[in-house]
Parts: sequence; C-alpha cells; structure tokens
Amino acid sequence: QVQLQESGPGLVKPSETLSLTCTVSGDSISNSYLSWIRQPPERGLEWIGYISDIGSTNYNPSLKSRVTMSVDTSKNQFSLKLSSVTSADTAVYYCTKGGAPRPGYWGQGTLVTVSS
Amino acid sequence: NFMLTQPHSVSESPGKTVIISCTRSGGSIASNYVQWYQLRPGSLPTTVIYEDKQRPSGVPDRFSGSIDSSSNSASLTISGLKTEDEADYYCQSFDTNNLLIFGGGTKLTV
Repeated sequence: QVQLQESGPGLVKPSETLSLTCTVSGDSISNSYLSWIRQPPERGLEWIGYISDIGSTNYNPSLKSRVTMSVDTSKNQFSLKLSSVTSADTAVYYCTKGGAPRPGYWGQGTLVTVSS
Repeated sequence: NFMLTQPHSVSESPGKTVIISCTRSGGSIASNYVQWYQLRPGSLPTTVIYEDKQRPSGVPDRFSGSIDSSSNSASLTISGLKTEDEADYYCQSFDTNNLLIFGGGTKLTV
C-alpha cells in the first residue's frame, strides 16, 4: 500500500522559508512525478509544482520565483522549499505521487501557518 | 491560459445520481486529459478519475467520467449515491506547458 507523509514545521514566520519533506513508503519514487499542492483556508486547490525522479521540475509561474523542489531517491523522499513567505502562504500542503505529471496517490496534508 | 469552472455546490439524495460539470474556457476540453479528485474531511484525498474516464483500482464503478466537446466540459457522474460520497470534488487538466490547472471545486451534499 502506497503511503505518503508530509513533515515539517507547522508554523513559519513571515519572510522566512517554508520547508516540507514528503516520505513515500510502499513503493519506489523511481519513474514517478512528485507534486506539491496546497489549499488555503476556505479556498480551492492550488498546484505548486512537480519534480520527476531524475530531478526535472515544472513550477506554477505564480510561485516559481520562490519555489525549489528536490528529490532524494536513496531516502524515497522529496522536498519543497518556499521562500519569503507571507500570510497568503498559510495553507494545507499536500504531497502527491503519480506515474504521470498528475497526482495519483496523496498524502494526508499538513497545515502550515505563517505568523509571527 | 484557461480556466476550469465548476458549480460551487450540488446536492442529491442517497441512491440517486449526480453529475458534476467542469467547463473549460479557452481551448478544447479534449486537448488535455481531465482528472477528478475527492477531498473528504478526515480522509486521504483520492483520485477518482484520471485521463477523462479511467478509474483507479479501488474506486467504485459508481464513479464515472466523460468529456463533451459540444459543451467543452468534463463531467463526473456518481450513481447510487452514498452518504460517504459527501465531499469536495475538483477537476484538473493541463495547459500546453504541462502546468496543472484546477477547477474551483464542488461541494457535494448527500
């Protein structure tokens, strides 16, 4: 059974960098597209970007200047960094894994609040 | 770029059938595959339809997807509604640069 688990701080100060890691169990992340998606409170889903297992990336243009994604196949993990955060970045952050550039399996999501 | 427009909410009784639409503005709905996701409080988000009409293993056959070029829209049909189907449903497609575009989501009340 494929499982994804997001981890990282639940509280980040404005102007700092949000860092999250997604650990995948039950399947290798090789030959996968690994995405981050977020949902601000009371709003819809927003795609942040994806990274392939070999490290090629595609980011949402509206966030591209602040986003960095990385992958560690040895640990079966991938990560998200979002710099210069503001309150508008407060959201539930989901990681996903798919065999194509679209979500297949999802993590349960983790709430990140940006506040001083 | 284009937008995907969904009804804000739909409501139907248990045992009935509901159809949730996803209308593309700009470009053809058939240009890129459409996926559907279910987000239910307290549960893992789930992909219920991928590539317009394909159903992942484990998703009941009560869920089906289709596209209609005449209305430039995709639809998610859920038959034999159960209370457990009550959730938010999101459609998603791609633009020409493989960027993911989500619809605004539909709250289904059963």
